[in-house]
Amino acid sequence: AQSVTQLDSQVPVFEEAPVELRCNYSSSVSVYLFWYVQYPNQGLQLLLKYLSGSTLVKGINGFEAEFNKSQTSFHLRKPSVHISDTAEYFCAVSDRRPGGSYIPTFGRGTSLIVHP
Amino acid sequence: GAVVSQHPSWVICKSGTSVKIECRSLDFQATTMFWYRQFPKQSLMLMATSNEGSKATYEQGVEKDKFLINHASLTLSTLTVTSAHPEDSSFYICSAIAPPRTGTNSPLHFGNGTRLTVT
Repeated sequence: AQSVTQLDSQVPVFEEAPVELRCNYSSSVSVYLFWYVQYPNQGLQLLLKYLSGSTLVKGINGFEAEFNKSQTSFHLRKPSVHISDTAEYFCAVSDRRPGGSYIPTFGRGTSLIVHP
Repeated sequence: GAVVSQHPSWVICKSGTSVKIECRSLDFQATTMFWYRQFPKQSLMLMATSNEGSKATYEQGVEKDKFLINHASLTLSTLTVTSAHPEDSSFYICSAIAPPRTGTNSPLHFGNGTRLTVT
């Protein structure tokens, strides 16, 4: 079984400041890791994913995340946030399934609030 | 590419009535779709896996007779909330696995969700 812990339910930050959203996971097998963003009353959009290879993953909208196996973490970062980044962010983990498919288990989400 | 359309976006119904939510893959065939439920300020909880041409696989604790899932074609899955009650009010989201050849970087694509309010 796998699980995801997002340590912060809410992260307020000023515009143009850097931000880090924390995510820790637990799994007994090799995993895929993801970050999704959800804007109000919308579905989820993939920001980035780690499948294998380089532990530093770059995604859309200037976000990046680093996979740290020893610390079982996959924290999301952005060096300078915009008002438009205000949204709910979900970290997710999935075990590796045949054919490259996956079914993610989501964390509880972190609400990023960017103030002007 | 790889768009998932969910309809309706919002629905308000009276207690005791049934509501059907549609999830369509617009430009790809989806043999597998997933239905999630999201409570306010909480994560997405997987309700069931919908497989085209066969019965859905429900997660533990999800009532099969309450949440009817039909995946009659490769582009359409429906979730029917039967005899809805106020506690069924929630945000329901579907997702579908897109084949790798669609050229996207994620085989899992989400609809925009349906906000169900039962009065």
